[in-house]
Amino acid sequence: DAGITQSPRHKVTETGTPVTLRCHQTENHRYMYWYRQDPGHGLRLIHYSYGVKDTDKGEVSDGYSVSRSKTEDFLLTLESATSSQTSVYFCAISESIGGVAGELFFGEGSRLTVL
Amino acid sequence: KQEVTQIPAALSVPEGENLVLNCSFTDSAIYNLQWFRQDPGKGLTSLLLIQSSQREQTSGRLNASLDKSSGRSTLYIAASQPGDSATYLCAVTSGSARQLTFGSGTQLTVLP
Repeated sequence: DAGITQSPRHKVTETGTPVTLRCHQTENHRYMYWYRQDPGHGLRLIHYSYGVKDTDKGEVSDGYSVSRSKTEDFLLTLESATSSQTSVYFCAISESIGGVAGELFFGEGSRLTVL
Repeated sequence: KQEVTQIPAALSVPEGENLVLNCSFTDSAIYNLQWFRQDPGKGLTSLLLIQSSQREQTSGRLNASLDKSSGRSTLYIAASQPGDSATYLCAVTSGSARQLTFGSGTQLTVLP
């Protein structure tokens, strides 16, 4: 299994509080991604990173920010959590093969509940 | 904008049956296509990756084919087992080449 660790795995928080989810990889893969998965919407890309300090927005980036100061860590921050951000969040990694994302490997997910 | 569709959304088959899962995509200019499996409450597990230059990939009882021109891929599962019960998703890399677009998945149930 690819070495991807997400933390925390479960979190319950209140509306308006900041939340940070961490993704740590031991594979030295260049690309890292944050997805959310919701019933009826499938997997949706929030943000991704194609290298240290290089990040870009996905299709549902509003209300989220990310940072990548080291190859192995990709942080997802909800500045002020809302109930609509209750979801399961997945981190994923892939190699860059000639600038193209290769095989994608996923973490186990972080279940976030915003009350 | 790339769109990926998987039909049917759910499928139930008896154990031992061979089956085919379908994936279609609207933009044929893809770099690769990947099939995943997701068990309830778990992350996605990569099953097969097909590069755009390939027609098929095999792993054990799984065989994935790719027809870029028609925008279709199939995942063939031979001699299905109850342990194959899961949701199967396909995803394509296209556009910027750094992102994948996912289908909504097919939930497979293999009955003993």
